[in-house]
Amino acid sequence: EPEVTQTPSHQVTQMGQEVILRCVPISNHLYFYWYRQILGQKVEFLVSFYNNEISEKSEIFDDQFSVERPDGSNFTLKIRSTKLEDSAMYFCASSEGTGGYEQYFGPGTRLTVT
Amino acid sequence: QKEVEQNSGPLSVPEGAIASLNCTYSDRGSQSFFWYRQYSGKSPELIMSIYSNGDKEDGRFTAQLNKASQYVSLLIRDSQPSDSATYLCAVNQDNFNKFYFGSGTKLNVKP
Repeated sequence: EPEVTQTPSHQVTQMGQEVILRCVPISNHLYFYWYRQILGQKVEFLVSFYNNEISEKSEIFDDQFSVERPDGSNFTLKIRSTKLEDSAMYFCASSEGTGGYEQYFGPGTRLTVT
Repeated sequence: QKEVEQNSGPLSVPEGAIASLNCTYSDRGSQSFFWYRQYSGKSPELIMSIYSNGDKEDGRFTAQLNKASQYVSLLIRDSQPSDSATYLCAVNQDNFNKFYFGSGTKLNVKP
C-alpha cells in the first residue's frame, strides 16, 4: 500500500541553525501539506502546496519557513533559523485532490531544538 | 476562529464494548469530516471520512454526522485493547486545503 515517507525520523539541532525536513508523498497525489504537533498539543496546519506553489499557509508559517519540491518525488520543509519553540513533530501529508479529499500522513520527523 | 472540540478523556471501556467518541465544530461552512487514530509518538492514521448527514459504516467503525447540530461522532464496536489510542477529529471547509484538528480523545480499552 502506498505511503508517505519522511526523513529523518529525529533531528536534533542547535538554536539558530537551519534544518531541512524531507518527505516523499504518495506518488499519484497532487497536494502536499506540512503540519506540526507540539508535544501534548493539537495537530496544526502549516502549509499546503500544489503545482509547485504554496496554495495556503497559516500564521505559524512565517518567513523562517519555506517549502520546495526540488524534484519529482521529494517535498521539503526548511526552517532557516530554528528557535526553541520550533521543537515539535512535523508531519507531511498528501492527498489526491483538495478540499474534502482524505489526507494521508507520514510517520513524522521529531525536531528537537537545543 | 474555527474550533474543533473534543473531550480529552480518557474514555475507558471494557473489551468488547462500544466506544463512543464525540466532536463538535464551530464553523457552519464545514463540509468534510475525518477521524484519525494516533498512537502515542506516532502519526495520525486515517480511519474514515464522512461528508453527508447520517451514518457511515466501515467494519467496526461507524461515523455519524449531524450538520445542523455541528456534531460528528465515531462509534467503535467490539472494542479491542489495540484500539487504545487518541482519536482525532478533523474538519475541512471545501475549497480550502487545511484540516482543523481537535485535541483528541484518549481511549483506553481494558481487557
